[in-house]
Amino acid sequence: AQKITQTQPGMFVQEKEAVTLDCTYDTSDQSYGLFWYKQPSSGEMIFLIYQGSYDEQNATEGRYSLNFQKARKSANLVISASQLGDSAMYFCAMREPLSSFQKLVFGTGTRLLVSP
Amino acid sequence: KAGVTQTPRYLIKTRGQQVTLSCSPISGHRSVSWYQQTPGQGLQFLFEYFSETQRNKGNFPGRFSGRQFSNSRSEMNVSTLELGDSALYLCASSPPSQGYQETQYFGPGTRLLVL
Repeated sequence: AQKITQTQPGMFVQEKEAVTLDCTYDTSDQSYGLFWYKQPSSGEMIFLIYQGSYDEQNATEGRYSLNFQKARKSANLVISASQLGDSAMYFCAMREPLSSFQKLVFGTGTRLLVSP
Repeated sequence: KAGVTQTPRYLIKTRGQQVTLSCSPISGHRSVSWYQQTPGQGLQFLFEYFSETQRNKGNFPGRFSGRQFSNSRSEMNVSTLELGDSALYLCASSPPSQGYQETQYFGPGTRLLVL
């Protein structure tokens, strides 16, 4: 069964606008971590933001925020004030430590294109 | 602090050959994980090493193997290369804590092309 689902293969946004990238997950563990990574065309995976399953507040890191809705099992990434450099692939990932130590399970990714 | 480094960055091999990829984690990190990324299968977990021991393995054939040295540097080896092994191989390291909140930091990857 798919553990991480990203339903948007591609998204377009104009510079300076906000964009939401969707992510839903499936787990039976109570303790888990959710991550978002950015992958530019160079290939390196860049860590953006983390949300723990017990965190009551939505995570924020600069222009990135995570809209965490535990009951709906969703962890959407919100990028505010988009910049041209935000054009990249974005991956949602989950870690279930009780069963898999440091293993991350990734979604299929969303390609974001920011236009001037 | 230096990031995760991977060598080589690019590699071209032919079917049937073997290849060894290297990964140096961030200083102080003891966990090293390897992932394969292909257009068809996406990002898939290969294995994780911690303190020179493999403690988790993905669903890959035995041709894929790895090891970790006492300085936490890791290598992965693919024997009898197949065309389908063409991929971006990413290495990631994590801090010593084993909590689920610890972030994995990735290297730039090694792009392997099998002809």
